[in-house]
Amino acid sequence: QKEVEQDPGPLSVPEGAIVSLNCTYSNSAFQYFMWYRQYSRKGPELLMYTYSSGNKEDGRFTAQVDKSSKYISLFIRDSQPSDSATYLCAMRIYSSNTGKLIFGQGTTLQVKP
Amino acid sequence: KAGVTQTPRYLIKTRGQQVTLSCSPISGHRSVSWYQQTPGQGLQFLFEYFSETQRNKGNFPGRFSGRQFSNSRSEMNVSTLELGDSALYLCASSLVGAATEAFFGQGTRLTVV
Repeated sequence: QKEVEQDPGPLSVPEGAIVSLNCTYSNSAFQYFMWYRQYSRKGPELLMYTYSSGNKEDGRFTAQVDKSSKYISLFIRDSQPSDSATYLCAMRIYSSNTGKLIFGQGTTLQVKP
Repeated sequence: KAGVTQTPRYLIKTRGQQVTLSCSPISGHRSVSWYQQTPGQGLQFLFEYFSETQRNKGNFPGRFSGRQFSNSRSEMNVSTLELGDSALYLCASSLVGAATEAFFGQGTRLTVV
């Protein structure tokens, strides 16, 4: 079993839809959670960074963490065709001795005009 | 502020050859991590360097190695290339500390023929 599970999709939605992307994890030591967006042939771009249970909002993006259920989500409101990309969740433990990230498989999202 | 710079962007090598990839982190970032991204395995951690020392290593064979220089720039080397080494190699830089975000470069796309 992988430490981080993420549905690879693909996920196809119409423009303006609310998108929900999810990851589950098994390691309770994970304390920090990130969402990256990766366009084709590009490196991952950091979207959201959270470290506590609850919600964090940034524009059209909301990151949600439920540590009791070991479940994180990224919501995209009013989705746009430019949001079409692969979304990766990533996690790390609390330690000053490592920056190692564990990634989910990535979910490919297509937003149709 | 300049981002993470990886060179070269693309490489084509023959089986059995060796290759060296370079990464210049964001100014002030002293931690550099390397990841391999393939369609089947996703993003997998290779190793992490901090202050010219490797402090974490992933589950890759000894053909994969790296180093970090005093200016925090890092190189990774793959010897005796195999077809399965074809991948996008990504470098991430972060500040020192237990709770810092990681920022990625555009990657080096290595094709082994």
